[in-house]
Amino acid sequence: SQQGEEDPQALSIQEGENATMNCSYKTSINNLQWYRQNSGRGLVHLILIRSNEREKHSGRLRVTLDTSKKSSSLLITASRAADTASYFCAFFTPETSGSRLTFGEGTQLTVNP
Amino acid sequence: KAGVTQTPRYLIKTRGQQVTLSCSPISGHRSVSWYQQTPGQGLQFLFEYFSETQRNKGNFPGRFSGRQFSNSRSEMNVSTLELGDSALYLCASSPTRGGTGELFFGEGSRLTVL
Repeated sequence: SQQGEEDPQALSIQEGENATMNCSYKTSINNLQWYRQNSGRGLVHLILIRSNEREKHSGRLRVTLDTSKKSSSLLITASRAADTASYFCAFFTPETSGSRLTFGEGTQLTVNP
Repeated sequence: KAGVTQTPRYLIKTRGQQVTLSCSPISGHRSVSWYQQTPGQGLQFLFEYFSETQRNKGNFPGRFSGRQFSNSRSEMNVSTLELGDSALYLCASSPTRGGTGELFFGEGSRLTVL
């Protein structure tokens, strides 16, 4: 069963608008990552934020992490039609070893031209 | 640098058959992990291999198995296929173990069980 929850499940916006996706988790984490998946394709890593960081930026992406609330958010600014994809948060926990990522349920983002 | 390569990309099997999926990690990456993605269960961890040894296993029945070769290439096998095994199987590689960095995913193998 998934230990990460994301909301909204689906988000539809117009080009140029900002998109915000939220992720909540239940355990302690080492770091939290965001991945993107175009329909039926593999996952592409977007950004990683460590448990001792509160905010991180990469291009049009901004990620925040609140470990006290066990939550993270991904903000995509000035969205483009090419941003249409599913977005997943994922994390390693101290209880699991190695390269075992736990994923959220995903947010399906649709950016309308 | 070539990315993670998975073969085949698509395959159709019938119940009771078995299937073998292949994954070639990024050159120099020694850790290979496998994930199953279905609409109902989302992304679920199957197992991880490092230096030809299974290091971690998810909550899947014994019909799911895998191995890793000395060149870090990995295969996973599913025996006695069931309808519920229809899924996108994703392979990911990373340079080391440790749970600190990003994983690099392949395009996946789409398995349909009829």
